[in-house]
Amino acid sequence: DAGVIQSPRHEVTEMGQEVTLRCKPISGHNSLFWYRQTMMRGLELLIYFNNNVPIDDSGMPEDRFSAKMPNASFSTLKIQPSEPRDSAVYFCASTQQGMDSPLHFGNGTRLTVT
Amino acid sequence: DAKTTQPTSMDCAEGRAANLPCNHSTISGNEYVYWYRQIHSQGPQYIIHGLKNNETNEMASLIITEDRKSSTLILPHATLRDTAVYYCIVMVRATNKLIFGTGTLLAVQP
Repeated sequence: DAGVIQSPRHEVTEMGQEVTLRCKPISGHNSLFWYRQTMMRGLELLIYFNNNVPIDDSGMPEDRFSAKMPNASFSTLKIQPSEPRDSAVYFCASTQQGMDSPLHFGNGTRLTVT
Repeated sequence: DAKTTQPTSMDCAEGRAANLPCNHSTISGNEYVYWYRQIHSQGPQYIIHGLKNNETNEMASLIITEDRKSSTLILPHATLRDTAVYYCIVMVRATNKLIFGTGTLLAVQP
């Protein structure tokens, strides 16, 4: 199994630009989570989906952030417009909800907004 | 809010057992104790979880006190590759909603 796949691994963009982060969960998993990690705030849960439906987006910081899961094998996290304070590592994780299965994390996307 | 308290950092000699403590005095009856670790520049990695009984797998052992207010993660023979931040998390298993605290930075020394 290839695990959770995130792309790109690194993204550098200028303030005001749109940024799209991508995630492919493990095949067969029906829950997907987006986290953000910074030195100041640690690992924060942004949003999670069950069966492609957003369940809890209370961690999404602002309206500039949006996440979609159009099908079971793909999710995006979009920031528009991006700001320097959005610089962080963004992790995606997946699991099989309802089973005794832990979260499996991808290796993250390091975003730098200048 | 994270519902656990862990030391900020610990050292351990290579080859010795690493014992990482965690306090979770407000744990509810339906909450499990989970341990994850994060090696530099990688995503968090699941280690082990338990409800009230002690658990062991190929990576570690988890000892939960009888009152469930604290637990200890044991790495029986620490190696340099075990240097990482270790997170203790309590969670209702059905939600899979992991809320991370600050964790313990374990430094394994040669």
